[in-house]
Amino acid sequence: QVQLVESGGGVVQPGRSLRLSCAASGFTFSSYIIHWVRQAPGKGLEWVAVVWYDGSSEHYADSVEGRFTISRDNSKNTLYLQMNSLRAEDTAVYFCARDVTVGTLHAFDIWGQGTMVTVSS
Amino acid sequence: ETVLTQSPATLSLSPGERATLSCRASQSVSRYLVWYRQKPGQAPRLLVYDASTRATGIPARFSGSGSGTDFTLTISSLEPEDFAVYYCQQRGNWPITFGQGTRLEMK
Repeated sequence: QVQLVESGGGVVQPGRSLRLSCAASGFTFSSYIIHWVRQAPGKGLEWVAVVWYDGSSEHYADSVEGRFTISRDNSKNTLYLQMNSLRAEDTAVYFCARDVTVGTLHAFDIWGQGTMVTVSS
Repeated sequence: ETVLTQSPATLSLSPGERATLSCRASQSVSRYLVWYRQKPGQAPRLLVYDASTRATGIPARFSGSGSGTDFTLTISSLEPEDFAVYYCQQRGNWPITFGQGTRLEMK
């Protein structure tokens, strides 16, 4: 079935790096824009980053610009988020989400289950 | 950045009652307003897009309305599975933003 599965979360010290992965299945991965969205414990949703179909364009939230890098490998149906210089405020569940833009439909229609990142010394 | 303000923060109702959730944008987003429901420990689920179009598989008790800066999600008769947190999201301006959420709790 159509799904996204995140991995790579864990506990990391401030200032260190971590790379998240999001494996896609059940659909043509290269035909979709994919986003990362995060949710701090007990808080709301925050959009983090987006990458275009072929990886040719990417955009970031101001809060992660210059520290995080989103990328994708369409041959492996996998999305990545390289997180450098991590801060305590980056502690959150990180979701990948598929962007569907067809006619009037502009939304995130498929989400992964999330992977927890904890930044703590 | 377009700020979305959801109200109320918490809504306490009983099964069978009608729920009305509001989302106000700091600037016009046209009809590019989306609603999601998130149950505890789960990912958000798409409910409504284009302000008023139900996503595939979403029951008719959910309805959305509005355009520009003021939007409403109405649940006509609450079912037990509807008690969750609801988020609005705007796609009309860059960057994409979410509201802070409305928690719908059982009275």
